[in-house]
Amino acid sequence: QKEVEQDPGPLSVPEGAIVSLNCTYSNSAFQYFMWYRQYSRKGPELLMYTYSSGNKEDGRFTAQVDKSSKYISLFIRDSQPSDSATYLCAMRTSYDKVIFGPGTSLSVIP
Amino acid sequence: SAVISQKPSRDICQRGTSLTIQCQVDSQVTMMFWYRQQPGQSLTLIATANQGSEATYESGFVIDKFPISRPNLTFSTLTVSNMSPEDSSIYLCSASTGDHQGYTFGSGTRLTVV
Repeated sequence: QKEVEQDPGPLSVPEGAIVSLNCTYSNSAFQYFMWYRQYSRKGPELLMYTYSSGNKEDGRFTAQVDKSSKYISLFIRDSQPSDSATYLCAMRTSYDKVIFGPGTSLSVIP
Repeated sequence: SAVISQKPSRDICQRGTSLTIQCQVDSQVTMMFWYRQQPGQSLTLIATANQGSEATYESGFVIDKFPISRPNLTFSTLTVSNMSPEDSSIYLCSASTGDHQGYTFGSGTRLTVV
């Protein structure tokens, strides 16, 4: 079993839709959870950073962590064509080693 | 958050040669990391670049193949040695200030070995 699992997609949605991206993990020592967006031929860009369980909102993005289920989600409201990218979940223990999921490719169709 | 400059942005190299990638951060950071991203794949951690001491390598990566330097709190280099076509990949530098602000990445170095 991989440490971090993520549906690779591709996921295609119409503009304005709500997008739900998810990751599961197996290591209960993970405490910090991140979502990155990566455009083609670019480095990953940090979108959301959360600690422990709960929700965090930033504009159209909401990150949700459920440590009891070892499950994290990223919701994108009112999706835009500019949101088309690969979304990577990432997580780490308190010792600063970050593990990435395989990424989900998202296309938002105008 | 820190801004990372990485160079070269891309290179095409002959097999058997070595390439050194530079990573410059615009502020002092506690942690610096090197990742590899193979085509269509996610990021794999190569090593943690420790300031003033030897890098800490992940399983499957060795110092002879990927020597790393970190002479100060804003700069690190990764060398890909004795390259083969299997080393063709994107190499990414990452940094953290350790203040729960997440990890920033450079734009990556796209390496092709022919």
